Amino acid sequence: SQTIHQWPATLVQPVGSPLSLECTVEGTSNPNLYWYRQAAGRGLQLLFYSVGIGQISSEVPQNLSASRPQDRQFILSSKKLLLSDSGFYLCAWSRDSKSGNTIYFGEGSWLTVV
Amino acid sequence: GQQVMQIPQYQHVQEGEDFTTYCNSSTTLSNIQWYKQRPGGHPVFLIQLVKSGEVKKQKRLTFQFGEAKKNSSLHITATQTTDVGTYFCAGRSGTYKYIFGTGTRLKVLA
Repeated sequence: SQTIHQWPATLVQPVGSPLSLECTVEGTSNPNLYWYRQAAGRGLQLLFYSVGIGQISSEVPQNLSASRPQDRQFILSSKKLLLSDSGFYLCAWSRDSKSGNTIYFGEGSWLTVV
Repeated sequence: GQQVMQIPQYQHVQEGEDFTTYCNSSTTLSNIQWYKQRPGGHPVFLIQLVKSGEVKKQKRLTFQFGEAKKNSSLHITATQTTDVGTYFCAGRSGTYKYIFGTGTRLKVLA
């Protein structure tokens, strides 16, 4: 069976500090990978998606970046965090299918920028 | 860019009452999915609708895809406290992207 792991689960970071959130998927190959952000009490905003190693599409201009160094690894980074970066970050994956497939979410990472 | 809006944003109902959330897209969708997020949790897939006018049922939940494939609805009959959470629709944009709606937060009062 497929699993998705995301860490850390929670973190508190000062403004201006760097960020690295990691996500790995097991039990499948060549998944589509996604990073979503959910501000407190708000909807899900698609930040990045990737259809293959080294292929990253950015949806929203911001001070965040994403990388996919391996097939099943997706990393969300920032060089300098802003207060507005606080939120619930969700990594997700789906199978590569033109007919549409379920999106499976990780447990999420709560980021508080202070 | 494409937008997917949901109404209402919040809904409080007495246990046993019905609940409906509506999803509207600014563009035609190839398919639409619905997810449920329990408080403190992550979204979990409920269902996918593909065909124009399609209606699917899961026990007390009824999902409908509009004829023009630009809107959808989720109706819960006789809500229970276990229905509490935020319900999201997600519209497929292009081949790989799913744009999530703004969500409807449901609170069920016992």
